[in-house]
Amino acid sequence: KQEVTQIPAALSVPEGENLVLNCSFTDSAIYNLQWFRQDPGKGLTSLLLIQSSQREQTSGRLNASLDKSSGRSTLYIAASQPGDSATYLCAATSGTYKYIFGTGTRLKVLA
Amino acid sequence: NAGVTQTPKFQVLKTGQSMTLQCAQDMNHNSMYWYRQDPGMGLRLIYYSASEGTTDKGEVPNGYNVSRLNKREFSLRLESAAPSQTSVYFCASTGANVLTFGAGSRLTVL
Repeated sequence: KQEVTQIPAALSVPEGENLVLNCSFTDSAIYNLQWFRQDPGKGLTSLLLIQSSQREQTSGRLNASLDKSSGRSTLYIAASQPGDSATYLCAATSGTYKYIFGTGTRLKVLA
Repeated sequence: NAGVTQTPKFQVLKTGQSMTLQCAQDMNHNSMYWYRQDPGMGLRLIYYSASEGTTDKGEVPNGYNVSRLNKREFSLRLESAAPSQTSVYFCASTGANVLTFGAGSRLTVL
């Protein structure tokens, strides 16, 4: 059974800092992994999708990597801004339509 | 494009009442999902529909029923609401493996 863990639960950084958010999963037979952003009281917005055959994906200041052998994915945010403050969630699927979510990392970027 | 639309956005129920959460997507996606989000628990899958005409249980299906009315619509029904069903409910659909979420429905059961 796939389990997804995100540590730390919360993180505060000064504006401009580069940072890494972590996502661990237990089943290496992963089909894809997706990163989301959630603002307070809002739905989830997809940021990046990494297929099992890929090592990383990039979108603007965001870079997500996938290492199936170690059961880890990281989301790298370059030059963080106060507007990046949100909760970031990862979700993994082993191809059975069941996306399993981590509990998220609540990020606060201080101006 | 509207994407995934959920109604209602807010609802307060008394224990034992029933209600249906509606979800519609206009992206021609085959698969649709219902999740609930609780503090400290993350998102948990209630039911999903891999394609029109099929539905399957997720992690926490007890107390819920679903209907995939057509390709666009996937509804979630609470037959006899309980306080433990107080939560934020999200509908989602997948296209090209990307999960797209609705804005959520906040349900309170007194």
